[in-house]
Amino acid sequence: DTEVTQTPKHLVMGMTNKKSLKCEQHMGHRAMYWYKQKAKKPPELMFVYSYEKLSINESVPSRFSPECPNSSLLNLHLHALQPEDSALYLCASSLGGIQETQYFGPGTRLLVL
Amino acid sequence: QKEVEQDPGPLSVPEGAIVSLNCTYSNSAFQYFMWYRQYSRKGPELLMYTYSSGNKEDGRFTAQVDKSSKYISLFIRDSQPSDSATYLCAMKLDTGRRALTFGSGTRLQVQP
Repeated sequence: DTEVTQTPKHLVMGMTNKKSLKCEQHMGHRAMYWYKQKAKKPPELMFVYSYEKLSINESVPSRFSPECPNSSLLNLHLHALQPEDSALYLCASSLGGIQETQYFGPGTRLLVL
Repeated sequence: QKEVEQDPGPLSVPEGAIVSLNCTYSNSAFQYFMWYRQYSRKGPELLMYTYSSGNKEDGRFTAQVDKSSKYISLFIRDSQPSDSATYLCAMKLDTGRRALTFGSGTRLQVQP
């Protein structure tokens, strides 16, 4: 089973709202990732968690706050977003070694009004 | 210059054609090469994974890596309308850094 699940599938929020995106995998992967993808562009890495510790933060604004409660779950907390943050937010996971491949979830399509 | 260059297309072919998708890259330190397929409004799906140079075949798909030319290819035989999607190449360094570097993606349309 190479499934990464994400909820919700779609999210509409105002600039003053607080919301969270959730990601889950049960493949025993120890590395998890958040990517942002704008239309007709490749995914852009935001955060990497390795063994539940934040290992990479690609200079993402503080209005995005990741959280890894355990090895199977990854959250992305959103607060005071801007309309330009509207995008497809993808979660991915990998086994944890250097040779690992990343498996992506279906994404959450976010619209900020 | 981008680290990974990929023609955005769209590439339109008739059903049954052989499709060739390509990426070039500038960083010779890339060692792991992947091809992802992404349908509209969906997450990328891993198709092929190759380490270093060589060929890899899986059903109708063949991935080739030529490290001397810094060039990778994905061939799709007997293309089907269901192959219509955006194909992203991705590559990774042979270090502890896990970030993937993606090409911009090629949109493929297979006409029935």
